[in-house]
Amino acid sequence: QKEVEQDPGPLSVPEGAIVSLNCTYSNSAFQYFMWYRQYSRKGPELLMYTYSSGNKEDGRFTAQVDKSSKYISLFIRDSQPSDSATYLCATDSWGKFQFGAGTQVVVTP
Amino acid sequence: GAVVSQHPSWVICKSGTSVKIECRSLDFQATTMFWYRQFPKQSLMLMATSNEGSKATYEQGVEKDKFLINHASLTLSTLTVTSAHPEDSSFYICSAREGASGANVLTFGAGSRLTVL
Repeated sequence: QKEVEQDPGPLSVPEGAIVSLNCTYSNSAFQYFMWYRQYSRKGPELLMYTYSSGNKEDGRFTAQVDKSSKYISLFIRDSQPSDSATYLCATDSWGKFQFGAGTQVVVTP
Repeated sequence: GAVVSQHPSWVICKSGTSVKIECRSLDFQATTMFWYRQFPKQSLMLMATSNEGSKATYEQGVEKDKFLINHASLTLSTLTVTSAHPEDSSFYICSAREGASGANVLTFGAGSRLTVL
């Protein structure tokens, strides 16, 4: 069993819709939770990170962590075609980073 | 924010030659850098952890004599693919941890696409 599970998609949504992404993890010791966006043939770029449980909002992006259920989510409001990319969740515990498989998101005009 | 520069962004080489990829942290010092490999439509596969001033730590199944890692300074780590073969063709990405802000997150380079003919 992978330490971080993420549905690879693809997830297709119409422009303006809310994109909902999620991951589950198995190790309760994970403290930091991150979401990265990766465009084709590019390195991942950090979107958001949260420490422990709770919500964090940044513009159209909202990250949620529920440590009791080991569930992390990313919501993208008012999605745009430029949001089409692969989104990877990641966690960290004592310097050991674990990545999900990445979910491919396609926002259609 | 933290920036990691990776060079070259793409390289084509002949089978049997060696290729060096550089990874630099531009505005912070990185005692630890990470090298990943990514196949099409797959997630990141950690190859090794590069430690400044000491030997790299390789993940299981990664040949250390094939993928030479040198981390000679706090801002530079290099990955050399020795005697490259077509099966080494892949997307290689480096990353560094920038912890000065108190956040334990990774910053990635733009990646290097290696094609071995």
